[in-house]
Amino acid sequence: EVQLVESGGGLVQPGRSLRLSCAASGFTFDDYAMHWVRQAPGKGLEWVSGISWNSGSIGYADSVKGRFTISRDNAKNSLYLQMNSLRAEDTALYYCAKDPNYYGSGSYAYFDYWGQGTLVTVSS
Amino acid sequence: AIRMTQSPSSFSASTGDRVTITCRASQGISSYLAWYQQKPGKAPKLLIYAASTLQSGVPSRFSGSGSGTDFTLTISCLQSEDFATYYCQQYYSPYTFGQGTKLEIK
Repeated sequence: EVQLVESGGGLVQPGRSLRLSCAASGFTFDDYAMHWVRQAPGKGLEWVSGISWNSGSIGYADSVKGRFTISRDNAKNSLYLQMNSLRAEDTALYYCAKDPNYYGSGSYAYFDYWGQGTLVTVSS
Repeated sequence: AIRMTQSPSSFSASTGDRVTITCRASQGISSYLAWYQQKPGKAPKLLIYAASTLQSGVPSRFSGSGSGTDFTLTISCLQSEDFATYYCQQYYSPYTFGQGTKLEIK
């Protein structure tokens, strides 16, 4: 059974940093691209970032480009999101999501499995 | 960025009804469209990808159609567990979601 478990969320002041983690199990992690998708309270879904199976291809939404960094450690079956210079508008539930494409580049992907999310609140 | 517009934003229906949700892309996306169901406090669940391919394990009362800019999600016979919010997502360039359609019990 595929499981994605996010952690690292919390309350942080504007301008500060936070690192999210996603622990994956139930599939061969290093065969698939992975993504972060967020959902502000009571709002819709927004893709944040994606990374290919071998970290060779990475993409970001314009809203986070230059502030967030996605990475993965295939030896640890883990995905990360380093979030710097956080803003109030970054407040959201952050989901880790699996790309269904085998050896995918992270492009042309929908999301076949999602974690339960970790909440990030940016407020002074 | 490609904008996805769903309609309606919300509506009420009864169990047994046939319902259709529409999603329109601001430019052509071929068949690079997925549909998700989200219940309160839960993560989204993939229903359909490639505009019309049913994800494994999803009941056959769900179906999708369309290509280019106009897409539909149809639920042929609403069940109580289908009352939720539905999102479309384009994955042509790069990824954007519709604003959601909340389906409520009449």
